[in-house]
Amino acid sequence: QKEVEQNSGPLSVPEGAIASLNCTYSDRVSQSFFWYRQYSGKSPELIMSIYSNGDKEDGRFTAQLNKASQYVSLLIRDSQPSDSATYLCAALTGNQFYFGTGTSLTVIP
Amino acid sequence: KAGVTQTPRYLIKTRGQQVTLSCSPISGHRSVSWYQQTPGQGLQFLFEYFSETQRNKGNFPGRFSGRQFSNSRSEMNVSTLELGDSALYLCASSLGGAGVQETQYFGPGTRLLVL
Repeated sequence: QKEVEQNSGPLSVPEGAIASLNCTYSDRVSQSFFWYRQYSGKSPELIMSIYSNGDKEDGRFTAQLNKASQYVSLLIRDSQPSDSATYLCAALTGNQFYFGTGTSLTVIP
Repeated sequence: KAGVTQTPRYLIKTRGQQVTLSCSPISGHRSVSWYQQTPGQGLQFLFEYFSETQRNKGNFPGRFSGRQFSNSRSEMNVSTLELGDSALYLCASSLGGAGVQETQYFGPGTRLLVL
């Protein structure tokens, strides 16, 4: 069983809509979770981290963590074409980071 | 504060050669992790170094090796290159602890093409 799983997509949303990206993790002791954005040909860029149950908002981005369900999500409000990228979910377990395979998001103008 | 830097950015090698990639972490970061990413693939974890010691290792053959220096800079070496080694090699640094504030930041990557 993979440590971190994501739907590979692709996910398409119209411009201005809310994009919802989901991630599950297998290890209950994972202590922190991360969302990275990766444009084609570029390296991953950190968007947000979260380690407490509930929501964490940063601009148009909201990360949600539910430790009981072992579930992390990222909501992107007012999606823009520039949000089109692959989004990687990661979990920190002990001293090691585990990454999902990424979800490809396309925002259609 | 300067970010993670990687050199070289692009590299072309032929099968059978060896290659060394370099990574300088963010100042104060003691952990350096290396990943391989091929088209359509997720990040494949190679290994992680912390305080000059390999602390975690992925499932890659022994042709892939690394080391870390006392200033936390790290190098990754691939010997006897194969066509399948063509990939984007990413380095990421973090403080190296296990606290909830621990965060990993990526360098720009080295794109390796093996002919």
